[in-house]
Amino acid sequence: NAGVMQNPRHLVRRRGQEARLRCSPMKGHSHVYWYRQLPEEGLKFMVYLQKENIIDESGMPKERFSAEFPKEGPSILRIQQVVRGDSAAYFCASSPAGRVYNEQFFGPGTRLTVL
Amino acid sequence: DQQVKQNSPSLSVQEGRISILNCDYTNSMFDYFLWYKKYPAEGPTFLISISSIKDKNEDGRFTVFLNKSAKHLSLHIVPSQPGDSAVYFCAASMRNNAGNMLTFGGGTRLMVKP
Repeated sequence: NAGVMQNPRHLVRRRGQEARLRCSPMKGHSHVYWYRQLPEEGLKFMVYLQKENIIDESGMPKERFSAEFPKEGPSILRIQQVVRGDSAAYFCASSPAGRVYNEQFFGPGTRLTVL
Repeated sequence: DQQVKQNSPSLSVQEGRISILNCDYTNSMFDYFLWYKKYPAEGPTFLISISSIKDKNEDGRFTVFLNKSAKHLSLHIVPSQPGDSAVYFCAASMRNNAGNMLTFGGGTRLMVKP
């Protein structure tokens, strides 16, 4: 049973470019979460998605950031017109449906560097 | 406003001894708590969790204690092993949160010396 997959593992972008981060949840998991970790800080919640639905995006910056989880394919976190402050590790986590409390299982992360 | 705090950024322990990692929270709505372990360049790995209806949960060398009145939880690792050296994050969640999002502390770096 493969774990949560994220790609790319490392992504370098210049200011103003777009970054696309992909996440494939564990088999059988229908809930996907995105978190961001800035250097020397803990992980901060960004968005929670189920298939074709954004459930909670209270942690997403209001501009330039968007997320989707289509019916087919991985979840995508998209950052438009990246700035240096977007440099961080972005982690995706997944959990199964149908339980009140779920441990979330994390992927290895994508480390975004904005030059 | 940091709702989950880990006030010790680092902890050094001798192999074989007990490691105690602490975590405080401010939001009384949190009712489910988790500990994750993280190695460099990897994602966090789930270790152990506890519901607010309990005050202790044990799994092998790992025990989590919850003191609701003090809004404090701790992770005990005994005996500590060099392979336990990592960053440990506590996280909190609440039943009524539609997405069960986790609120993380800032982490404690544990170093277990041989």
